[in-house]
Parts: sequence; C-alpha cells; structure tokens
Amino acid sequence: KQEVTQIPAALSVPEGENLVLNCSFTDSAIYNLQWFRQDPGKGLTSLLLIQSSQREQTSGRLNASLDKSSGRSTLYIAASQPGDSATYLCAVNQGGSEKLVFGKGTKLTVNP
Amino acid sequence: GAVVSQHPSRVICKSGTSVKIECRSLDFQATTMFWYRQFPKQSLMLMATSNEGSKATYEQGVEKDKFLINHASLTLSTLTVTSAHPEDSSFYICSASYHRDQPQHFGDGTRLSIL
Repeated sequence: KQEVTQIPAALSVPEGENLVLNCSFTDSAIYNLQWFRQDPGKGLTSLLLIQSSQREQTSGRLNASLDKSSGRSTLYIAASQPGDSATYLCAVNQGGSEKLVFGKGTKLTVNP
Repeated sequence: GAVVSQHPSRVICKSGTSVKIECRSLDFQATTMFWYRQFPKQSLMLMATSNEGSKATYEQGVEKDKFLINHASLTLSTLTVTSAHPEDSSFYICSASYHRDQPQHFGDGTRLSIL
C-alpha cells in the first residue's frame, strides 16, 4: 500500500528565504506526482505535476524535483513571500487509475 | 484555468438530515470525479471515484449506502450524506479530471457540521 510522508509538518521562515519541502513515497511505481497548495478552509490548487519520466518542473518561483527510484520529491520555493503561507500537499498517482494518495502536508508560514 | 465549483460551502444541520453536495466542472468535461474527506490536520482521504453514467467505486471502509454518489453528466457529480450524524461532520472536497496526464482540479470544499 502506497504511503506518502511529508517533512516537516510545519515550517516558519522569514520573508525572502529560499526553502525546501520534502515528500517521500514508499512505492516507486508511480505514474506522476503532484504538488498542491491548500489555504485554510479551502480546496486545493494545483502547483506542479511531474510525470514519472521527468526529473523536475518549474513554475515561477517554484521548482519541483522527482527522484522516482529513491521515492522522493522536493518542492523548492525561492524568495518566499507572506502570500506563500499555506499548507502544501504532495500526492502520487499510481498506474492503472487516476486516484491520488496524499501526504499530510507541510504547513508553511512566511513571516513579514 | 480549469474551474470546479462545489456547493454549498458550509452546511449546519440536525442529526438525521440528509445533505446533498454538488460538484460541477465549469469549463471542461470531467470524465472522472473524486470525493474526498478531510479531518483537521489530516490528509485527504479518498472516499469514492465517480465516472459519468456508471456506478461510483467506493474505497474500502466507505459505506456506499451512507454516502450516495451520482454522476449524472460530464459536468456534475453529487454526494448525498444520508441520515447524517455528528460523526459525519467533516470537510468534504471534490475534484475533477479529464485526463490522467493533467492535474486534478479541486472544488473549494464543503464544511459539514451535524448537530
């Protein structure tokens, strides 16, 4: 059974810092991996999707990497801003269906 | 970008009431819709997968008679919590997908509180 773990559970940084969020998964046979953002009391916003054949994806200040063989992904946020404060969720999609398995998320607080 | 609308955003009702939650894909046809439940500080738990015109596939441990799912069209899926009780209080979120190579698009969730 696939399990997704995110470390740390919470992170607080001053504005302007670069930071890395970590995601690990137990079964490396994934189809793709997605990073989402969730604001309090809201649904999820898709940030980046990495196919299993890819190593990384970039969107603006965000860069996600994937090391499928070791079961790890990182989300790098450059020059963090208070508006980046949210919970970041990692999810993997395994072959055969579109179901996602989610981690518990990392709650990020960027202090002005 | 793709938009998924979920309604209502919040429901407060008495125990024994049945509650219907709607999930609509506004600008694309969703071949598959998903229903999740989220407890405070916990991950999203997939409840069921819904395909247009066919019966929903429920995850292990989810009561299909309790959580009725209807996917009447490519843009609408509904979740009905039947005879809701306080333990059904939670945050329910839907998502929609039109291709597995594309990100799933999520609604804003429904906060259900059963008194």
